[in-house]
This record gives sequence, C-alpha cells and structure tokens, in this order.
Amino acid sequence: DTGVSQDPRHKITKRGQNVTFRCDPISEHNRLYWYRQTLGQGPEFLTYFQNEAQLEKSRLLSDRFSAERPKGSFSTLEIQRTEQGDSAMYLCASSPTSGRAVDEQYFGPGTRLTVT
Amino acid sequence: TQLLEQSPQFLSIQEGENLTVYCNSSSVFSSLQWYRQEPGEGPVLLVTVVTGGEVKKLKRLTFQFGDARKDSSLHITAAQPGDTGLYLCAGAQTSGTYKYIFGTGTRLKVLA
Repeated sequence: DTGVSQDPRHKITKRGQNVTFRCDPISEHNRLYWYRQTLGQGPEFLTYFQNEAQLEKSRLLSDRFSAERPKGSFSTLEIQRTEQGDSAMYLCASSPTSGRAVDEQYFGPGTRLTVT
Repeated sequence: TQLLEQSPQFLSIQEGENLTVYCNSSSVFSSLQWYRQEPGEGPVLLVTVVTGGEVKKLKRLTFQFGDARKDSSLHITAAQPGDTGLYLCAGAQTSGTYKYIFGTGTRLKVLA
C-alpha cells in the first residue's frame, strides 16, 4: 500500500466557485480525518469518520463545508462559494481501528487550495 | 484559540547542538503525540505518550509527558540537518476521543 493519497495536490479557484477534494485512505483503515492547515500554524481539526459515519464535526466547519465517506472507503470534502479565507492546505489522515484509546494517524500529502 | 502552545516558534542551530521543544497547555490530555512535517508533505507521527511522567526515546529524540498530563517536551541530542522540519504536538483531551488538537508548531532548522 502506498499510503494516504489526496487529489488534487493543488487547486486554484476564483472566489465564489465550488471545489471538491478527494482522499483515499490506507486500505482497511476505518477512521478518516480532515484537517485544515494555514501557513505557520498547526493543523486544525475539521471532521472525522468511522467507516461511513461522520462522528464529529468542528465548529470551524461552516455550512459551506461538507464531507462525505459514502462507502467507508474514500472521502470527499466540498467547499461551496469559496472565500479567500479558505486558502489553506487541506490534509487527510487515516487510522486503523486498533481497539486502543489512542489513534495513530497517517497523513496524506495534502491539497493546497488558493482562492483568488 | 489554540489549546496547545509550543515554544520556541522558530529555532536555528548548528549541527551537533542539543535542543528542547516545549508543548504546554492549561488542559489535561489523555494522550499526546509528536509529529514532524516537511514542506509540501503531511505530518509524520514520531511518538505517542499516554502516561503522566512517561519518557520515550527514539534514537536521538527523547519525549516526555508531564506528570499532570498538561505538557510535553521533545529533546534532540546532537541535531543533524535531517532533523530540519516543523515539529508538532497533538493532544486528545478525553480518553476514547479520536479528535486531536494540534499545537502551534516549532520550525527547526539545523545548519551543517
């Protein structure tokens, strides 16, 4: 397995447009996470899935953001009516269900979004 | 508002020097992780600590979880240029939650 993959790696869009990002986790990893990282900051939690169920969603996630994981495998993150403040790196991570209370997250390379 | 503050924010040192990076919070964490991130890539997990006072060593890296589980430190001995990167701590506040809060990050540059 080659690890977590994200597509596209870079996206430039005009303000007001919709964008969708895809994340393919490591196969058989049950949990999938989305984070947003701006320059010079640590990643900010957005949401996570256990299989196809979205179990937690950050208050940072406005109504313009939606994430899905329809079959419990890949996930998509959509941003509607993009704003310049949405410019950031969007990171996806996956982890196996180990039965432990602590997750080991494996991150993808991220999708860098620039809103002009 | 970040719950985890890291210090220093930036650190530039010569190869062979030792350094310590701190991760502090007023909140208690059930577990804490350290990651390293290189430009254009996602963070890579280095270690997880779960017990107050726990010390873990990974080659030249030593990680400590504070007794009260509110803080942590990362010590690097004899730093090498390959240690250059963004070091991030991340904590889970409640046992069993899978939501991690990341720190502000420490950008380390080791000069040859």
